[in-house]
Amino acid sequence: AQKITQTQPGMFVQEKEAVTLDCTYDTSDPSYGLFWYKQPSSGEMIFLIYQGSYDQQNATEGRYSLNFQKARKSANLVISASQLGDSAMYFCAMRERMGTLTFGKGTMLLVSP
Amino acid sequence: GAVVSQHPSRVICKSGTSVKIECRSLDFQATTMFWYRQFPKQSLMLMATSNEGSKATYEQGVEKDKFLINHASLTLSTLTVTSAHPEDSSFYICSARDLDSDNQPQHFGDGTRLSIL
Repeated sequence: AQKITQTQPGMFVQEKEAVTLDCTYDTSDPSYGLFWYKQPSSGEMIFLIYQGSYDQQNATEGRYSLNFQKARKSANLVISASQLGDSAMYFCAMRERMGTLTFGKGTMLLVSP
Repeated sequence: GAVVSQHPSRVICKSGTSVKIECRSLDFQATTMFWYRQFPKQSLMLMATSNEGSKATYEQGVEKDKFLINHASLTLSTLTVTSAHPEDSSFYICSARDLDSDNQPQHFGDGTRLSIL
C-alpha cells in the first residue's frame, strides 16, 4: 500500500489565485512528520513546510500553509497568491519515527499569467 | 540555512565507465545521508542510507556492488556507479539531516544528471 498518495498529477492555477495540493498518508506510527518539497525543472529539492503529528496548529511559512487533518490523514498544501515562479513539481513526504522519507508521486503545478 | 553540496551536476560518459558523485554537508555534520534516484516524471526513490563510519543500508532491489557508497566523514558521502550502463542513466540526488530530530527537514543537494552513452 502506498504510504503517501498525491491524487493530482497536474494542477493549473491563475496568477494571484490560491491553490490546494492534496496529500493523504498512511501510517500506524503515532509519531511522524509530514513535509512538502518543491522541485523546479532544474531538479533541486526545496523544502517548503513541515507538520509534526503532535502539532496542534497547522504549519504556515509565508505563502505556504499546511491543512493538517489528522483524523482524515491528510496534509494538503495551500499556496496563496500564486506566482509564476511557483510552477514546479510538488512532493509530499512522510517520515515515521527516526525513519527515512517516503515521497508521493508528486503534483505538477502550472501557474498561468 | 543548512546547505548540501553535490558534485558533479552533470555527467555524460561512455558505457562501462565508473562514475563518482560526491555529497557534502557544508555547514553542519551529517551522521546520516541518503541517496535517491529519480527517473523522468517520477518520484524520488530511496536507494540507500549512508551512515558515517559504517556500511550503508540499501533498499530492496538496489545492487550494493553496483552502487558503492562510502561515508568516510561527517560531512562527505560518495556514491560510485560502477561500470555504468545506459539503464543507469538517471537523476541522482543526495540529502542529509543535521540533527537526529523528527522535525528537521532533510536538505538536498542539487542533484547529478547521469547520462551513459
